[in-house]
Amino acid sequence: EVQLVESGGGLVQPGRSLTLSCTGSGFTFGDYAMHWVRQAPGKGLEWVGFIRTKDFGETAEYAASVKGRFTISRDDSKHIAYLQMNSLKTEDTALYYCTLELPFEYWGPGTLVTVSS
Amino acid sequence: DIQLTQSPSFLSTSVGDRVTITCRASQGINSYLAWYQQKPGKAPKLLIYAASALRSGVPSRFSGSGSGTEFTLTISSLQPEDFATYYCQQLNSYPYTFGQGTKLEI
Repeated sequence: EVQLVESGGGLVQPGRSLTLSCTGSGFTFGDYAMHWVRQAPGKGLEWVGFIRTKDFGETAEYAASVKGRFTISRDDSKHIAYLQMNSLKTEDTALYYCTLELPFEYWGPGTLVTVSS
Repeated sequence: DIQLTQSPSFLSTSVGDRVTITCRASQGINSYLAWYQQKPGKAPKLLIYAASALRSGVPSRFSGSGSGTEFTLTISSLQPEDFATYYCQQLNSYPYTFGQGTKLEI
């Protein structure tokens, strides 16, 4: 059974950094691109970015709203994808989900990030 | 970036109703579109991909159609468990944008 579990969320002040983790199980982790999607409280879904597999250079792409501040990486040996978030803004407050490659058939339960002073 | 516009944003419906939700793309995306259902406090659930392919296990009352710039999600006979918010997503190119959502209300 495919499972994804996000962790690392919490309360952080504006301008600070936070790193989220997504641990996968039940599938060959290194064979799949990994995506991050977020949802601000009471709002819709926003695609954040994704990282390609090792075969495709483990390169990443990002939404304009986070490009230059967020970095996605992966450690296939640990079955973990990371979302490093720097220079956080109040508008980054959201529930952050990780998902497998398109279409998003599998989702984690999400981890809540609150950016507030 | 490709923008997706869903209509309506809210829909007051009843059990047994036939419901159609429209998703319009700002440029052609062939059939690279998916539909998701989200209930409060839960992660989204994939219903349809490639515009019209029903995900395994999804009830057949859900169907999708369209290509290019206009797409529809149809629920043939609304069931109590279908009251939720529905999102379309384009899979054509990154950023893989979502529509703003359509909330079905009783």
